[in-house]
Amino acid sequence: QSVLTQPPSVSGAPGQRVTISCTGSSSNIGVGYDVHWYQHFPGTTPKLLIYGNSNRPSGVPDRFSGSKSGTSASLAITGLQAEDEADYYCQSYDNSLSGWVFGGGTKLTVL
Amino acid sequence: EVQLLESGGGLVQPGGPLRVSCAASGFTFSNYAMSWVRQAPGKGLEWVSTISGNGVYTYYADSVKGRFTISRDNSKNTLYLQMNSLRADDTAVYSCAKHSGYYYDSWGQGTLVTVSS
Repeated sequence: QSVLTQPPSVSGAPGQRVTISCTGSSSNIGVGYDVHWYQHFPGTTPKLLIYGNSNRPSGVPDRFSGSKSGTSASLAITGLQAEDEADYYCQSYDNSLSGWVFGGGTKLTVL
Repeated sequence: EVQLLESGGGLVQPGGPLRVSCAASGFTFSNYAMSWVRQAPGKGLEWVSTISGNGVYTYYADSVKGRFTISRDNSKNTLYLQMNSLRADDTAVYSCAKHSGYYYDSWGQGTLVTVSS
């Protein structure tokens, strides 16, 4: 299983708000390493959505926001749109593994 | 515009070797650490290996340590992953990714490696 834990799936109706959690431990998120989020449509390259816990690259709508607290982080998507249906991954660094780690991914379904 | 183009994937027998490459353009290649990330069929993203911009420092996931070797040729703007002793569970799309600090700001489309007899 993945070092960072995400729910396998979340869903919401258009216009609603959904959150995706990412739970780590004291060797990654809890020790201060930042969390980053990627949006991935199958068959395409992952897109950086949030970096440094809560920063959006240029071009990413402000409907996407990130936060971090303790050993966990969250991605929130407001005003859900059909085009948001994709897989979402959190990512951080783990000092006990001396390597980069991903969450298992969360499939977002827009109802 | 950053471009990352992988090549070298294919079908290989268990226990065999394979080298995949990533040709980079649109940025000063030697200034950035680079990683390989893979995605097995139906699975999530998995970090494989990272190399520093000057090639001095390398890092590996436990699942590939001792079998895979990451390297780069900064004169050719190319990243490599030499994979030996391949196993069925190494079957995946292998993508190169450009670092910005501890995250990835650009990815290639990937090259499929299939380990099967």
